[in-house]
Amino acid sequence: KQEVTQIPAALSVPEGENLVLNCSFTDSAIYNLQWFRQDPGKGLTSLLLIQSSQREQTSGRLNASLDKSSGRSTLYIAASQPGDSATYLCAVSVGGGADGLTFGKGTHLIIQP
Amino acid sequence: DVKVTQSSRYLVKRTGEKVFLECVQDMDHENMFWYRQDPGLGLRLIYFSYDVKMKEKGDIPEGYSVSREKKERFSLILESASTNQTSMYLCASGAWNEQFFGPGTRLTVL
Repeated sequence: KQEVTQIPAALSVPEGENLVLNCSFTDSAIYNLQWFRQDPGKGLTSLLLIQSSQREQTSGRLNASLDKSSGRSTLYIAASQPGDSATYLCAVSVGGGADGLTFGKGTHLIIQP
Repeated sequence: DVKVTQSSRYLVKRTGEKVFLECVQDMDHENMFWYRQDPGLGLRLIYFSYDVKMKEKGDIPEGYSVSREKKERFSLILESASTNQTSMYLCASGAWNEQFFGPGTRLTVL
């Protein structure tokens, strides 16, 4: 059964720093990997989607990489801002999106002003 | 923009009540999903549907059922609510590649 782990569980850094969030998965036979952001008490906002054939995706200050063979993904946030404070979730799809996502438990990120 | 809406943001029900959670999407997606999110356990898949009137069990279907009579609407049903079903419920829809989530319904069962 696929398991997704996110490290660290929590992270607090000063504003302006670059940071890396880690995600690992046990079964490399994934269809894609998705990074989400969740603000307290709210739903999930999709940040980046990486197909299994891709190595990375970028959106603004965010860059996500995927190493499928080693079962790892990283989310890089450049020049962090207080508005980046949220929980970041990693999720993998095995069956092409038709059978649900398997989620990690998230990294709770706080950016100190 | 994809929009997924859920009927209630907050809901309080009593043990034994029948509870309906509604989800509507406006992007003509084939696939729809219900998850629950609990502290320390993360998000877990309850049920999903890849077509009208079709449904598949996820990881934790016990105590729940679903209904999908129209493509845009997917309902989660708690036949007899129990206190251990107090949780945040998240609906999602998607095509093959990506899932989009609604704002969530925080359900409290007393």
